[in-house]
Amino acid sequence: GEDVEQSLFLSVREGDSSVINCTYTDSSSTYLYWYKQEPGAGLQLLTYIFSNMDMKQDQRLTVLLNKKDKHLSLRIADTQTGDSAIYFCAEKNRGSTLGRLYFGRGTQLTVWP
Amino acid sequence: DADVTQTPRNRITKTGKRIMLECSQTKGHDRMYWYRQDPGLGLRLIYYSFDVKDINKGEISDGYSVSRQAQAKFSLSLESAIPNQTALYFCATAAREQADTQYFGPGTRLTVL
Repeated sequence: GEDVEQSLFLSVREGDSSVINCTYTDSSSTYLYWYKQEPGAGLQLLTYIFSNMDMKQDQRLTVLLNKKDKHLSLRIADTQTGDSAIYFCAEKNRGSTLGRLYFGRGTQLTVWP
Repeated sequence: DADVTQTPRNRITKTGKRIMLECSQTKGHDRMYWYRQDPGLGLRLIYYSFDVKDINKGEISDGYSVSRQAQAKFSLSLESAIPNQTALYFCATAAREQADTQYFGPGTRLTVL
C-alpha cells in the first residue's frame, strides 16, 4: 500500500528556517500536499505541488520535490511562534479512487522564542 | 460562515451507546470523507463517498457506518460505541476539478467512557 513517512518532531528558534521532510513510496504520485493543523483545529491546506514540478514558492513557504528519491520538503522561512503546529504531508496517486489522499503521521513543529 | 461544519464539536458518551456525528458543507463538492485522528497515528480514513449513491470503506470502517443524505450532508454513526473509538473525528470535502484538494471541518472530539 501507499506509505508516507515524516519525522514526528522538529524544534527551531524563532527567525530561523524550518525544513519539514516527507518521503513516499508510490512512484505514480500525481499531487503532493502540505496541511497545517493548529491546536484544537482542523487541517488547513497550505500548498500543493503537481508531480511534474520540482519547486513551488508561496511567500515564506517553499516546497521542493525530488521525484527520483520520492522526497518532498516544506521550508518555512523566518519561522514565527505562530507557525507552531502539526504539519501533514499527503499524496494522491494515479491509483487513488475518488480522490483519496494518503497522509503521513504529521510533524510537530515547535518554535522557541 | 464555515464551509465545512461538524456537529457536535465535543461529545462524551458511554460504552454501548449509539452516536451520530454530522457533517455539512456549502462548498458544492461531490466528494466527502470521514477520518479519525489519534495521537502519533495521523489521520486514518473511515469512509468516503463520491455522491449520495456511492459509499466506500476506508482503512478502519469496522464499528462505523455512514449515510450520505444529500450531496451536502455526510453523517458517521457508531452503532455501539466502545472506548477505543475515543478520538478526534474529521469530515473533509473535495472536488476533482481542484486537484482533489481536501477541505476539513473543525473536528468532533469524541470520548467514550
